[in-house]
Amino acid sequence: QKEVEQDPGPLSVPEGAIVSLNCTYSNSAFQYFMWYRQYSRKGPELLMYTYSSGNKEDGRFTAQVDKSSKYISLFIRDSQPSDSATYLCAMSAGTNAGKSTFGDGTTLTVKP
Amino acid sequence: ETGVTQTPRHLVMGMTNKKSLKCEQHLGHNAMYWYKQSAKKPLELMFVYNFKEQTENNSVPSRFSPECPNSSHLFLHLHTLQPEDSALYLCASSHERGGSYEQYFGPGTRLTVT
Repeated sequence: QKEVEQDPGPLSVPEGAIVSLNCTYSNSAFQYFMWYRQYSRKGPELLMYTYSSGNKEDGRFTAQVDKSSKYISLFIRDSQPSDSATYLCAMSAGTNAGKSTFGDGTTLTVKP
Repeated sequence: ETGVTQTPRHLVMGMTNKKSLKCEQHLGHNAMYWYKQSAKKPLELMFVYNFKEQTENNSVPSRFSPECPNSSHLFLHLHTLQPEDSALYLCASSHERGGSYEQYFGPGTRLTVT
């Protein structure tokens, strides 16, 4: 069993829809939770991070962590065609970036 | 741009060739990484360098040979690769002093082994 499982997708939504991207994990030591966005022909870029449980909001993006359920989500409100990308969740037990465990990624397409 | 550059962006090589991938970071970071990204698989961490010293080698075959001459430059030397080595190779950097979970990735080198 993988340590991090990410909803496989692909996901296709109309412009303006609310998007929910999800990951589950098995390692209870994870405390740092990241979401990366990767556009085609580019490397991943850090979109949001959360420490421990709770919500974090940044514009149209909300990251949610439920450690009791070992479940994290990224919500995108009012989705735009420019949000079309692959989204990777990543998790770490400590602050050593090299110890992050990544999900497989979910490819999102937002249609105008 | 993220401040991490990689060259070349695309590389096609035969199984008997020798080539090198180059990564350079302009962020003042002290840790650098090589990852392999294959379709429908999670990012695979290959090598980690902290302050020019290799701290991690995740059972990577010896046909991949990393080199880190200083904190800003990282190379991946390739020789006698196999077709299954075709993938996107990503370089990343981070600031490890004081701890940082944030990694900055380069655009990657798309490698095709024929």
